[in-house]
Amino acid sequence: KAGVTQTPRYLIKTRGQQVTLSCSPISGHRSVSWYQQTPGQGLQFLFEYFSETQRNKGNFPGRFSGRQFSNSRSEMNVSTLELGDSALYLCASSLVAGEEETQYFGPGTRLLVL
Amino acid sequence: GQQLNQSPQSMFIQEGEDVSMNCTSSSIFNTWLWYKQDPGEGPVLLIALYKAGELTSNGRLTAQFGITRKDSFLNISASIPSDVGIYFCAGFYYGGSQGNLIFGKGTKLSVKP
Repeated sequence: KAGVTQTPRYLIKTRGQQVTLSCSPISGHRSVSWYQQTPGQGLQFLFEYFSETQRNKGNFPGRFSGRQFSNSRSEMNVSTLELGDSALYLCASSLVAGEEETQYFGPGTRLLVL
Repeated sequence: GQQLNQSPQSMFIQEGEDVSMNCTSSSIFNTWLWYKQDPGEGPVLLIALYKAGELTSNGRLTAQFGITRKDSFLNISASIPSDVGIYFCAGFYYGGSQGNLIFGKGTKLSVKP
């Protein structure tokens, strides 16, 4: 079974640009969530999508947005990049069956903003 | 806003020792999650807790959802070298129509020199 795939793996952008990251979940998983990880702020939750709808949302400004397609693939977009957006962006796909939740993270996209 | 205090920040373990870490908050959470992250890897979900007072085990790991819904702890029994890594707690709460997930800063487990 293929794992969670994130593309690209590495990215360099300059301030003011925008970026789109992609996440393909494990087959059959309908929930995709996104996270930002930095040395200073640690792990932070961005948002979660389920069946193409944003179900939960973290405390990030509107420059951070996402969407989910009918095949459960998800994208997140960051507009007007700032230096502080440099981070590892992780996505995870989840499956809830009864009271059991399984969640798997992708390898992440490392974004550097110059 | 909601904040989680995770302690200890770091600890050294010797093989065979039991390990305990916890997360506390002044806010109430609906779900507690515990993750482990190895260097260069994404986090791995270890245990999910959904009800106040719930005690759940996953092999040598045991976690509890505090009865006040403001805290959770994770115990590792008979630690082994592969337990080394960073452990994160996370609390999920509903705020209006959507929920949010807050992470602790992590507990770094290292092998005692």
